[in-house]
Amino acid sequence: GIQVEQSPPDLILQEGANSTLRCNFSDSVNNLQWFHQNPWGQLINLFYIPSGTKQNGRLSATTVATERYSLLYISSSQTTDSGVYFCAGGSYGKLTFGQGTILTVHP
Amino acid sequence: NAGVTQTPKFRVLKTGQSMTLLCAQDMNHEYMYWYRQDPGMGLRLIHYSVGEGTTAKGEVPDGYNVSRLKKQNFLLGLESAAPSQTSVYFCASTLRGGETQYFGPGTRLLVL
Repeated sequence: GIQVEQSPPDLILQEGANSTLRCNFSDSVNNLQWFHQNPWGQLINLFYIPSGTKQNGRLSATTVATERYSLLYISSSQTTDSGVYFCAGGSYGKLTFGQGTILTVHP
Repeated sequence: NAGVTQTPKFRVLKTGQSMTLLCAQDMNHEYMYWYRQDPGMGLRLIHYSVGEGTTAKGEVPDGYNVSRLKKQNFLLGLESAAPSQTSVYFCASTLRGGETQYFGPGTRLLVL
């Protein structure tokens, strides 16, 4: 099956800093999504982005499908951005999740 | 519009006991999924369904059974719980395959 590798595994930021999270896939995917798991465990979908670039407020994501990677950009980070960020990819409905990036934003 | 809900939120079982986790969605989604999340790991797919009356195995199906008798409900059963099944279980749904997945709040299960 598809292997999903996320980096970095941990990231500590001061409020206001920018960051980039990366996700590499071992094979081509036609379904790629980014999620945020908040400290209370709730999983929120951030982007459905099998290719191209999307932006939503301070967050944006870019997927280069031909090179099998995706990037999540967080600008002007806030303490509420803390949590775990997962990327997941696969074919059609089935997703394989990466191990996640733990983000901690200090005030 | 409640989205995806899960029942119960937390449960403690003894080894060998059985239980059923209920997932319900009110978005008229066709696809539904059950995942488990273990400490320090991403989510792993247990079983999924592409429509009412259908089920299929995911990455880690052993020890679990599922049923999708109604479109809005997806049940996950543990016939004989084992300590290795201690985990947080998440349900998700999508309108169709290959679309945004929406997750429930999770069920925390402890098997002693």
